[in-house]
Amino acid sequence: AQSVTQPDIHITVSEGASLELRCNYSYGATPYLFWYVQSPGQGLQLLLKYFSGDTLVQGIKGFEAEFKRSQSSFNLRKPSVHWSDAAEYFCAVGAQGGYQKVTFGIGTKLQVIP
Amino acid sequence: DAGVIQSPRHEVTEMGQEVTLRCKPISGHNSLFWYRQTMMRGLELLIYFNNNVPIDDSGMPEDRFSAKMPNASFSTLKIQPSEPRDSAVYFCASSWGGQETQYFGPGTRLLVL
Repeated sequence: AQSVTQPDIHITVSEGASLELRCNYSYGATPYLFWYVQSPGQGLQLLLKYFSGDTLVQGIKGFEAEFKRSQSSFNLRKPSVHWSDAAEYFCAVGAQGGYQKVTFGIGTKLQVIP
Repeated sequence: DAGVIQSPRHEVTEMGQEVTLRCKPISGHNSLFWYRQTMMRGLELLIYFNNNVPIDDSGMPEDRFSAKMPNASFSTLKIQPSEPRDSAVYFCASSWGGQETQYFGPGTRLLVL
């Protein structure tokens, strides 16, 4: 079965600084990979996803993520963080083909300070 | 275009009472998921349906929980009897085919006293 590890539970960055959120997955074949964002009191919203092809994926709100098969990683990045990016971020892994079961990580809570 | 609709948004009940959460998926989606989110356990998949059929209910905590999807546009998650440890935010999500992208509803915040 697939699994996801987000090693950082909580991250604090200054507004305007760069951001990298880590995600490692475990899956025997090529996975589907996702990053979702959850603002307080809201449901999860898809930021970006990787299914195949170019390993650098662009998403909404200026986010990008890079799939590195050799490292089993799918880290999320943003060159300059805005205060509105403060939220909780979830990495998720799904299986290609078959039923649509997706496993979510525990989440990383991002705090942005002025 | 309407997203996933959940009702109620908030529910406060007493231990032992029956609780019913409702979900209307996005029209045209053929998969529906129920999740529970707590501080301690994060986001847990409870059950998911494909074409109205339950495919995987291994995440359902115990017999007190049940879920149904009588048609493509409606699903319920029922807890009977409810217990304080069921307090959580319950999300419904839907998706289409092999896209694997799930669209989440706003959630139902449940508090069992």
